[in-house]
Amino acid sequence: GAVVSQHPSRVICKSGTSVKIECRSLDFQATTMFWYRQFPKQSLMLMATSNEGSKATYEQGVEKDKFLINHASLTLSTLTVTSAHPEDSSFYICSASQTSGILFQETQYFGPGTRLLVL
Amino acid sequence: AQSVAQPEDQVNVAEGNPLTVKCTYSVSGNPYLFWYVQYPNRGLQFLLKYITGDNLVKGSYGFEAEFNKSQTSFHLKKPSALVSDSALYFCAVRDQAGTALIFGKGTTLSVSS
Repeated sequence: GAVVSQHPSRVICKSGTSVKIECRSLDFQATTMFWYRQFPKQSLMLMATSNEGSKATYEQGVEKDKFLINHASLTLSTLTVTSAHPEDSSFYICSASQTSGILFQETQYFGPGTRLLVL
Repeated sequence: AQSVAQPEDQVNVAEGNPLTVKCTYSVSGNPYLFWYVQYPNRGLQFLLKYITGDNLVKGSYGFEAEFNKSQTSFHLKKPSALVSDSALYFCAVRDQAGTALIFGKGTTLSVSS
């Protein structure tokens, strides 16, 4: 089946530093990846849509200069939280869809998530 | 605009009893409907989906869901609940291929032994 990995699974950083989170599709190519944010006991909120080879599309209210997204290949998208602050502490989850080939099923597969804690 | 409603924050059921987790949706076109399950501090696991075809969809771990167009519902069901089914369940929808999913707020399922 389709597997999506995220790294790191957990990160603790000081306020003002930048943190990079990687999202990889391990056994399929994903032209589109999505980044979500989840607060405790709440639903997933879409932050941005990442398209390979082009600029990401951000949802309203999400600062593109703070949450930098790069989708450099068909298997990797990165989210960089720049100048992180305590309010950025959250659970970040990526997902990917294969849009062609044997696994084309219109299903989004989710990574295991990255827990970010900013002190 | 698309939206998903999960009217119950929590569903409690005894092991061995049938369970239902409710979901209603609103989309402008034909819906693509999904159920995911999330265990504590974990990502989402895909359970099942409805794109087209038979209204009754069977998925992983014995779960199934019925698409009801007239009621705009996609309730998740299982004939016999297990304690291990206890988790957070999300219903999600999108109105076209390749777009992001819109999630409901989630329903916590608690199965007691």
